[in-house]
Amino acid sequence: EIVLTQSPGTLSLSPGERATLSCRASQSVSNNYLAWYQQKPGQVPRLLMYGAYSRAPGVPDRFSGGGSGTDFTLTISRLEPGDFAVYYCQQYGSSPFTFGPGTNVDIK
Amino acid sequence: QVQLVQSGAEVKKPGASVKVSCKASGYIFTSYDFNWVRQAPGQGLEWMGWMNPNNGDTDYAQRFQGRVTMTRDTSKRTAFMELSSLRSEDTAVYYCATIDFQDGDHWGQGTLVTVSS
Repeated sequence: EIVLTQSPGTLSLSPGERATLSCRASQSVSNNYLAWYQQKPGQVPRLLMYGAYSRAPGVPDRFSGGGSGTDFTLTISRLEPGDFAVYYCQQYGSSPFTFGPGTNVDIK
Repeated sequence: QVQLVQSGAEVKKPGASVKVSCKASGYIFTSYDFNWVRQAPGQGLEWMGWMNPNNGDTDYAQRFQGRVTMTRDTSKRTAFMELSSLRSEDTAVYYCATIDFQDGDHWGQGTLVTVSS
């Protein structure tokens, strides 16, 4: 089973700032099948990125993904009020399709 | 539009089973696999497995093997997730989701399952 570690656990930033979230895998993610989800309090998760760097339909271009192998990043170029949420990475290259523990992006 | 509507909250005793339903509408039922994900109170997301609604093929996370069964009734456009031998640690919100990278993701509203004696 691939274990995903996300850092930092909490990221405190102000609107307009840049956020960089990290996701590290215990072994290489097949085909870079790495997705990112956003979850706001009381809401269901929302797919943001897949294949490490492809944006899901309707996701604004201030969200970008990168990385390969075992190290991946999600970058939010300029935080908007609606971006403060918990972000999870998930690998779907090999079963079980594990999630990371999440990074909480909160308002500074 | 795509909509997934799940069954209501359940309270179960330890050792019992629970069956959660997920009724799909707004698209061809067999177009997307069903994923089941759970979230314990205040915790992160946990993938449980997926089911192909075309042929019923499934893939379960090892930790749920022997306890989880994912099925579907295509005539009713409904997917099901049954979890047996419940314990307190299974208390969580259970989500069904279709995740297609071209068409996007759709999630049910979640079903709270509480396991308590």
